[in-house]
Amino acid sequence: GQNIDQPTEMTATEGAIVQINCTYQTSGFNGLFWYQQHAGEAPTFLSYNVLDGLEEKGRFSSFLSRSKGYSYLLLKELQMKDSASYLCAVLDSNYQLIWGAGTKLIIKP
Amino acid sequence: GAVVSQHPSRVICKSGTSVKIECRSLDFQATTMFWYRQFPKQSLMLMATSNEGSKATYEQGVEKDKFLINHASLTLSTLTVTSAHPEDSSFYICSADPGQGLSQQYFGPGTRLTVT
Repeated sequence: GQNIDQPTEMTATEGAIVQINCTYQTSGFNGLFWYQQHAGEAPTFLSYNVLDGLEEKGRFSSFLSRSKGYSYLLLKELQMKDSASYLCAVLDSNYQLIWGAGTKLIIKP
Repeated sequence: GAVVSQHPSRVICKSGTSVKIECRSLDFQATTMFWYRQFPKQSLMLMATSNEGSKATYEQGVEKDKFLINHASLTLSTLTVTSAHPEDSSFYICSADPGQGLSQQYFGPGTRLTVT
């Protein structure tokens, strides 16, 4: 079966760095997405990785290792507004998005 | 660019009635739109994939006669929840794929449905 694993919840301190991991087992791979979702709102796109390596975009970076079926989202200089759920999703061989359950990130002052 | 709207944002209806939710891509054409349902503290669950001009493809366990999807144009898809029941209360989110090769989905703001 297809499976996306990410931690249920993480806590970090304002100004610090946090890494949210995602491991996947899917039928085929056509890229991995990270989305941010604030409570009661729809997801917003953060990043897309299809090749191995690190993609940096401002305070957010995303890493992919296809051989390990592993990705992480790195958030630097955490701000209170970064408190949200972070969803990992993989595009499988049928170009269907397989969603993880999301990681709720709590930022403390 | 790539803005998707949904209407209404919130709706409360009585059990047994039907509710229509609209999803529009405002500044791009979307051959494919997706409908998701999200229960509290859970991830998105794909309900169906909607292709313009053809019948929607429903995920296993989703009743196509209960959740009617119409993708009449390249910018509009509608989801009608027929004979709604309290267990249909959920957050319904649509997304649209502009088909630019990235397969990125742009999400609408969601519709909170409460069935009383």
